[in-house]
Amino acid sequence: SQQGEEDPQALSIQEGENATMNCSYKTSINNLQWYRQNSGRGLVHLILIRSNEREKHSGRLRVTLDTSKKSSSLLITASRAADTASYFCATPSGTSYGKLTFGQGTILTVHP
Amino acid sequence: DGGITQSPKYLFRKEGQNVTLSCEQNLNHDAMYWYRQDPGQGLRLIYYSQIVNDFQKGDIAEGYSVSREKKESFPLTVTSAQKNPTAFYLCASSMMAVTYEQYFGPGTRLTVT
Repeated sequence: SQQGEEDPQALSIQEGENATMNCSYKTSINNLQWYRQNSGRGLVHLILIRSNEREKHSGRLRVTLDTSKKSSSLLITASRAADTASYFCATPSGTSYGKLTFGQGTILTVHP
Repeated sequence: DGGITQSPKYLFRKEGQNVTLSCEQNLNHDAMYWYRQDPGQGLRLIYYSQIVNDFQKGDIAEGYSVSREKKESFPLTVTSAQKNPTAFYLCASSMMAVTYEQYFGPGTRLTVT
């Protein structure tokens, strides 16, 4: 079952620009996570935001969470070519402790 | 990728053969997971294990089997019953704690012809 849905599916920008990706989910959650995947590699955890938080920062990343709209956004500021990757949101799945459901992902391409 | 190893990186098999993908972690994590990723798609959960000698089916367990005899190891067997086994397989682990953050291995790309 699909919990998180990312938007847009693909995003192409120039180096130095900001990139914003959105994630919507269906059921109540206690946290939401964002992961990055470079082509052909495993996923890397970027940031976790809890349901009682509205905004969280980590370096050039800014994540927001709106539980009333069941949505989250990931903003990458001053993007670099090295930020080119797929980005996934993930939410806790069902009642099993630790289980996550991942969205389809946003493919970000940053042109030098 | 640190702490979780998957081998091999690329695997080729003939249709009708079973194949086992290796996943080992040295993070002392209790929980381990297997995901399948198809081109341009998200991750789908195959099996997961929260403790040694116990595991549960995920969303797409048919045609797959796992074992969890050691905390560090969670091998996945793709059986001949799996109708479309060609995919990228990812193993992950996590602590059984509040954060649910998962750590991923580098993946195994399986091609069955």
